[in-house]
Amino acid sequence: SQQGEEDPQALSIQEGENATMNCSYKTSINNLQWYRQNSGRGLVHLILIRSNEREKHSGRLRVTLDTSKKSSSLLITASRAADTASYFCATVGVGYDKIIFGKGTRLHILP
Amino acid sequence: NAGVTQTPKFQVLKTGQSMTLQCAQDMNHEYMSWYRQDPGMGLRLIHYSVGAGITDQGEVPNGYNVSRSTTEDFPLRLLSAAPSQTSVYFCASSYSMGGRPDNEQFFGPGTRLTVL
Repeated sequence: SQQGEEDPQALSIQEGENATMNCSYKTSINNLQWYRQNSGRGLVHLILIRSNEREKHSGRLRVTLDTSKKSSSLLITASRAADTASYFCATVGVGYDKIIFGKGTRLHILP
Repeated sequence: NAGVTQTPKFQVLKTGQSMTLQCAQDMNHEYMSWYRQDPGMGLRLIHYSVGAGITDQGEVPNGYNVSRSTTEDFPLRLLSAAPSQTSVYFCASSYSMGGRPDNEQFFGPGTRLTVL
């Protein structure tokens, strides 16, 4: 069964606005990763956040992790047309060696 | 570095045929994995390997077989193809600490498989 569940399933926003996607998971994790996929191509790693971290930044991306709520969020600031893609969270459970993906959020940036 | 390579890019099979999807990486990563992606289902883990000679099942292993004889290669075998195996298959690799996938995964470009 899939560990992470992204919310919303789909999101459309105007270019320049901020986009926020959420990921909830069921069991304790070692780390949580966010990936982007453009049009059915291979996935590209965005950010990895470990269970003892609360926030990480990379350029226009900000990821937060709340282990008490078993949730994470990905914020993309000042969105661009090139940000149109699907975004997936993936979790590595404590004591496990599997990387399990959620179903993803489809983000569409409107011109 | 070529990164993670997958062959073939496209494949059409008839029900009952067998084939091997190839995956290779040149980053000396110990951890490798296979996923399938179906519309609306995200990526589901088929099999994974924490090092040469070690493989384990993921979420949807039935109908697939893997082996890991070298660090570089991780082929996925379809034993007797079924229409339900029509999907896009992705291979990935990552550096790991003691077998734990503790770092980002690098993905191949995928293989689009159709089973008639």
